[in-house]
Amino acid sequence: DIQMTQSPASLSASLGETVTIECLASEDIYSNLAWYQQKPGKSPQLLIYYANSLNDGVPSRFSGSGSGTQYSLKINSLQSEDVSIYFCQQNYDSPWTFGGGTKLELK
Amino acid sequence: EVQLVESGGGLVQPGASLKLSCVASGFTFSDYWMSWVRQTPGKTMEWIGDIKYDGSYTNYAPSLKNRFTISRDNAKSTLYLQMSNVRSEDTATYYCTRDRSTVATWGYWGQGVMVTVSS
Repeated sequence: DIQMTQSPASLSASLGETVTIECLASEDIYSNLAWYQQKPGKSPQLLIYYANSLNDGVPSRFSGSGSGTQYSLKINSLQSEDVSIYFCQQNYDSPWTFGGGTKLELK
Repeated sequence: EVQLVESGGGLVQPGASLKLSCVASGFTFSDYWMSWVRQTPGKTMEWIGDIKYDGSYTNYAPSLKNRFTISRDNAKSTLYLQMSNVRSEDTATYYCTRDRSTVATWGYWGQGVMVTVSS
């Protein structure tokens, strides 16, 4: 199975700040990586697919990058509504696997 | 608007069976692969399995394939998850999901249904 290691596990940032979340795959996943946002009490929502493609309706302050085994999610100009848990997930090889999640809070 | 509505969760005793349902609307159900994903109380996400649009093929997480079965009824636009011999570690919120456009990139999620395994 492909292991996905996400960091940090938690993050505290101020409004307007830029934050970055990292995801490391145990092998090359050839950009087959998605990012999800889960707001408190809600279902996960797809933010980014294929490492850097923004899903419909997702604000442009979100961006994804990376290749090979290393990927990142960047949030520019942090807003209060961005308080969430963020997950990465590989869809290169089954079983599809998730990172452990990053809990983003406001400072 | 795509909607996925799960049902069938609740409190179940260890060793028992439970069947979850997911009614889909807002899209042509028979055109899409569907999946189940679960989230533990500690927020860990785990993929359970996929089923092909015509029901002819299923793919499961190796750790669950002996106890969980995914099926679908395209005439009813309904996805199912049959859980057998449940264990405490199956306690989770179960989500029905649909691909955005590529395999295992889930652009649509149901609201989730909670399953608690306890005596």
